[in-house]
Amino acid sequence: KQEVTQIPAALSVPEGENLVLNCSFTDSAIYNLQWFRQDPGKGLTSLLLIQSSQREQTSGRLNASLDKSSGRSTLYIAASQPGDSATYLCAVLNQAGTALIFGKGTTLSVSS
Amino acid sequence: KAGVTQTPRYLIKTRGQQVTLSCSPISGHRSVSWYQQTPGQGLQFLFEYFSETQRNKGNFPGRFSGRQFSNSRSEMNVSTLELGDSALYLCASSLAGRQGAGEQYFGPGTRLTVT
Repeated sequence: KQEVTQIPAALSVPEGENLVLNCSFTDSAIYNLQWFRQDPGKGLTSLLLIQSSQREQTSGRLNASLDKSSGRSTLYIAASQPGDSATYLCAVLNQAGTALIFGKGTTLSVSS
Repeated sequence: KAGVTQTPRYLIKTRGQQVTLSCSPISGHRSVSWYQQTPGQGLQFLFEYFSETQRNKGNFPGRFSGRQFSNSRSEMNVSTLELGDSALYLCASSLAGRQGAGEQYFGPGTRLTVT
């Protein structure tokens, strides 16, 4: 059974710091991996999608990497801003491509 | 292009009642998935539909059911509500092919409170 773990559960940093969020999964047979952001009481916003054949994706200040063999993904946020404060969720799409399995998330707080 | 829409946004029901939630996917998206989010369990997969067919179902009791219409809109129904069904219910759509789903786009969710 696929399990997704995110470390740390919470993180507080001062504005301007670069940071890394970690995600690990137990079964390397995945269709793709997606990083989301969720603001309190809101839905999920897709940040980056990495196909199983890819190693990384970049969007603005965000960079996500995928190492299927070790079952790990990282989300790198450069020059963090208070507006980056949110919960970041990692999810893997099962090999059939029909269900996302989520980690519990990392709650990020960026102080000005 | 309009995003995924869910109605209603908020709902308060009493134990034992039933509820129907609605989801309209992004235009052109044929795959719709449903997820339940609670503080204790996090986000859990309920079911996925493609072209009116349920392709996958999560580990939830039979009280949870869904369907998809020919225009790709989807509904989920929960019968005999229990207090533990209080949650944020999220719908996602994707430009899926028959071999599986692509990038998932989520709606704002329906907040269900069972009293």
